Amino acid sequence: EAQVTQNPRYLITVTGKKLTVTCSQNMNHEYMSWYRQDPGLGLRQIYYSMNVEVTDKGDVPEGYKVSRKEKRNFPLILESPSPNQTSLYFCASSSLTGNTEAFFGQGTRLTVV
Amino acid sequence: KNEVEQSPQNLTAQEGEFITINCSYSVGISALHWLQQHPGGGIVSLFMLSSGKKKHGRLIATINIQEKHSSLHITASHPRDSAVYICAVRYKKNTGNQFYFGTGTSLTVIP
Repeated sequence: EAQVTQNPRYLITVTGKKLTVTCSQNMNHEYMSWYRQDPGLGLRQIYYSMNVEVTDKGDVPEGYKVSRKEKRNFPLILESPSPNQTSLYFCASSSLTGNTEAFFGQGTRLTVV
Repeated sequence: KNEVEQSPQNLTAQEGEFITINCSYSVGISALHWLQQHPGGGIVSLFMLSSGKKKHGRLIATINIQEKHSSLHITASHPRDSAVYICAVRYKKNTGNQFYFGTGTSLTVIP
């Protein structure tokens, strides 16, 4: 089954404690991306990757890091989380050729206290 | 920066009604996506459009590139259509594809 898998689904952490949210896709997609969703602001793009070792900033990259060492994985790293990073996070992937429909992960609800 | 505006923000309809959700954007794009988000939070892609019109079951999406406007129509609406519908525009940069999103239209269909 074609899917994008995020882990964990829920996470409560404390300010300053480094964390990683994993994202993996099984569709051999070139394009992967991270978004955060906040009430009243909607979805905003954090980082994206066009292929292995190719990443770029989206609209709200501050406080986040990403890496794309393998095509299937695109982890989101918060080196020093702060309460303003409390949000619902989505990872998505798509092909860059042919059918470029986007596939989304189930979401990760992060609370930073 | 590409601004994306959706209307209406909230919509309540009786089962069977024809529904239209609108999306306008401010600069040239390479594609537009319509997404559906159910109360559980998961997001599903409904359509990806770069021109014209697409139909899938009771859903129809259209885009007018010159007017920078897209519409999502739901015919014969049903309570299971209740969800948040989100418009997303894809903008091609030198370094790749960047996305901007509308804030969503919350649809409730009453039996």
